[in-house]
Amino acid sequence: AQTVTQSQPEMSVQEAETVTLSCTYDTSESNYYLFWYKQPPSRQMILVIRQEAYKQQNATENRFSVNFQKAAKSFSLKISDSQLGDTAMYFCAFMKPLIQGAQKLVFGQGTRLTINP
Amino acid sequence: NAGVTQTPKFQVLKTGQSMTLQCAQDMNHEYMSWYRQDPGMGLRLIHYSVGAGITDQGEVPNGYNVSRSTTEDFPLRLLSAAPSQTSVYFCASSPRGIGVTFGSGTRLTVV
Repeated sequence: AQTVTQSQPEMSVQEAETVTLSCTYDTSESNYYLFWYKQPPSRQMILVIRQEAYKQQNATENRFSVNFQKAAKSFSLKISDSQLGDTAMYFCAFMKPLIQGAQKLVFGQGTRLTINP
Repeated sequence: NAGVTQTPKFQVLKTGQSMTLQCAQDMNHEYMSWYRQDPGMGLRLIHYSVGAGITDQGEVPNGYNVSRSTTEDFPLRLLSAAPSQTSVYFCASSPRGIGVTFGSGTRLTVV
């Protein structure tokens, strides 16, 4: 079974700083997908960024980028120029290839990120 | 286009009561699933469905039933609520490709 580990329960940085959230995972699959989700106080789950394991290039979405190290099974999220609106719980998630069409996400424990003014 | 709609948003139950959490999607997605979120544990898969009439168990299925009579609806039933089922419940749907959409969640408290 796949497992996802986020070793930082909480992080806090000043506005405009850069912050990196860590995620490691364990799998025997060679092809899979990795995600970072943001959960603000509204409770809504919002997709931040996605990485396909077969792609060597790290995914980037505006101020959000990942460092995907497949051999090390590491998938960290970097937030540049952090903003107050980035304050949220962040979850790392793993999805194995579509078996019978099912899309089943395995989540890490989450990292609570606070951006201070 | 409402996306994934969950009702109710909040619910308090007494131990032993039954209830159904409703989930509906209007995106014609084939796949639907239910997750529960507990403090310090992230989200865990309860049940999922790959199409109308087809359901299967996830990681934590005990105490919950599901059915999928239509593409749009995927209700989650608690037959006899227990305090251990106090949690936030999320319904999600996705098309055949990659792209999971979550509902806004239901906070359930069992006393």
